[in-house]
Amino acid sequence: DIQMTQSPSSLSASVGDRVTITCRASQSISSHLSWYQQKPGKAPKLLIYEASNLQSGVPSRFSGSGSGTDFTLTISSLQREDFATYYCQKSYITPWTFGQGTKVEIK
Amino acid sequence: QVQLQQWGAGLLKPSETLSLTCAVYGGSFSGYYWTWIRQSPGKGLEWIGEIHHSGSTHYNPSLKSRATISVDTSKNQFSLNLTSVTAADTAVYYCASDYGSGLFDNWGQGTLVTVSS
Repeated sequence: DIQMTQSPSSLSASVGDRVTITCRASQSISSHLSWYQQKPGKAPKLLIYEASNLQSGVPSRFSGSGSGTDFTLTISSLQREDFATYYCQKSYITPWTFGQGTKVEIK
Repeated sequence: QVQLQQWGAGLLKPSETLSLTCAVYGGSFSGYYWTWIRQSPGKGLEWIGEIHHSGSTHYNPSLKSRATISVDTSKNQFSLNLTSVTAADTAVYYCASDYGSGLFDNWGQGTLVTVSS
């Protein structure tokens, strides 16, 4: 199975900061990469699919990039409601696998 | 807009069978794969398997054939059975809709299942 590795596992940031999270696949997955946001006690929410496509209703401060094995999720100006845990996930071919998560905390 | 509501037993003993059901409201039941995902502190998010309204299924090989997903199209519901549970199966279980090759756009509220003697 393809393994997904995120870094960092956690970070502290302030409102207004630019935040970047990295996800690496153990082998090439082309652009078949999604990002999810999860808040405590809630189900994950799809933010970005196919590496860079914003899901409907997601604010434009979220963006994704990358292809092959290396991907990034960027939040251009962190808002209070963005403090959460973010997961990457390989799509297109089963088994679907997730990264271990990156927790974004308030500095 | 599709809404998912799930239910099932929350406390099991080792070797018992986990059973969860998810009802789909709104949207179209056909054209999606209906999915089960679980989340435990030790293993993070783990895809269990999925079923199409036609009955076609895919499973995560890591569960070694313990999982069975079924569908009841007359009720717009789908279910998960996981046999021979152990403490390692303790997790929050989510149902979700897969609208295209592993894109999960709607999720149930989650059910905490604890396995303990």
